[in-house]
Amino acid sequence: EPEVTQTPSHQVTQMGQEVILRCVPISNHLYFYWYRQILGQKVEFLVSFYNNEISEKSEIFDDQFSVERPDGSNFTLKIRSTKLEDSAMYFCASSLDWAETQYFGPGTRLLVL
Amino acid sequence: DQQVKQNSPSLSVQEGRISILNCDYTNSMFDYFLWYKKYPAEGPTFLISISSIKDKNEDGRFTVFLNKSAKHLSLHIVPSQPGDSAVYFCAASVPGSQGNLIFGKGTKLSVKP
Repeated sequence: EPEVTQTPSHQVTQMGQEVILRCVPISNHLYFYWYRQILGQKVEFLVSFYNNEISEKSEIFDDQFSVERPDGSNFTLKIRSTKLEDSAMYFCASSLDWAETQYFGPGTRLLVL
Repeated sequence: DQQVKQNSPSLSVQEGRISILNCDYTNSMFDYFLWYKKYPAEGPTFLISISSIKDKNEDGRFTVFLNKSAKHLSLHIVPSQPGDSAVYFCAASVPGSQGNLIFGKGTKLSVKP
């Protein structure tokens, strides 16, 4: 069964460093998403992406964040200058259409020291 | 701002019995609801969904009920199995959004043999 994959599974970085989290969505899906879950809190929407453009973003998705689909398969989330409060699980998801079910990857656990 | 609430952080059920997981929401404009299951170190896995035009949707052992007047939905698992032990998230699709899902905090279900 097709699945969303994410790399790395864990990332430890120093505050102020840039990180890039990678995702390979399900191959025939056209809509892509990033969510995050801070330990003990809810899963929170960050951004949706379609046709090489951001469709929607939340208040969390400030100028430190960016997304890109650099080739036909990868979908990346970049955090330019990490802060301690960026420590969280980051989940990528994809769907056939924005109104269709979103399928999630296993997540990347980011720890900012 | 808890638009989607899961007020029970945990639930313990005996194998073979029914598990009932509850979810309340505050925004009457929500029109599509989903349940996800999450095992430790994995991403959320889609279980079942329901549109606001329905009051029930069934898929095998899983049934979701929607009570729009009460702004309440529930997930029934019958019969419960030890493999169902996981965290269950209720999510609502923000109307008019491009895939923004609002998640509850989750309920940890433990099914005891």
